[in-house]
Amino acid sequence: QQPVQSPQAVILREGEDAVINCSSSKALYSVHWYRQKHGEAPVFLMILLKGGEQKGHEKISASFNEKKQQSSLYLTASQLSYSGTYFCGTANTGNQFYFGTGTSLTVIP
Amino acid sequence: DAGVTQSPTHLIKTRGQQVTLRCSPKSGHDTVSWYQQALGQGPQFIFQYYEEEERQRGNFPDRFSGHQFPNYSSELNVNALLLGDSALYLCASSWRLGTGTSPLHFGNGTRLTVT
Repeated sequence: QQPVQSPQAVILREGEDAVINCSSSKALYSVHWYRQKHGEAPVFLMILLKGGEQKGHEKISASFNEKKQQSSLYLTASQLSYSGTYFCGTANTGNQFYFGTGTSLTVIP
Repeated sequence: DAGVTQSPTHLIKTRGQQVTLRCSPKSGHDTVSWYQQALGQGPQFIFQYYEEEERQRGNFPDRFSGHQFPNYSSELNVNALLLGDSALYLCASSWRLGTGTSPLHFGNGTRLTVT
């Protein structure tokens, strides 16, 4: 039931864009996105509810396609501070919540 | 505004021993979830507590048990420790069971090492 993320790892130069995908085999009610820096706790980025909404926060945005049971996280004009491991988290109608496999993002100068 | 606090931060135990980890949720939150995160892996859901009852449980054996107190704080107990239980244990709090619609706020975790 764990969602699968792709890519597993990505290296960017400052200012470049990236897309992280999250795919589930189960029908989803919502998708969360979190970022975890090494040695720290995951930090909440955003929640998307079913309905195909798209959300954004500054240069980080996300979309949720409930029919395809997929979500994508878009990072534009990446900054050094974006480095970390990104996890999606998916909730199904049974209120069960699972974190994805994770994507390691490294931004270099 | 106090965030999620966990104690202890680090713990070393021997195989077969028992361990208790503690968590105080963020102010205003009433739901506590526990996760196990092995090195390089995503957090794995252990269980969730709301109104002092276990509401959801992940695929973990009965050696993992928990408790929630009237002040919403929670404990995670692991009996008969195995080497494979070595991991970072994360506590996350939210409001009103809404793990689907409510953001999870994480503590900094307890690093458990079983030797």
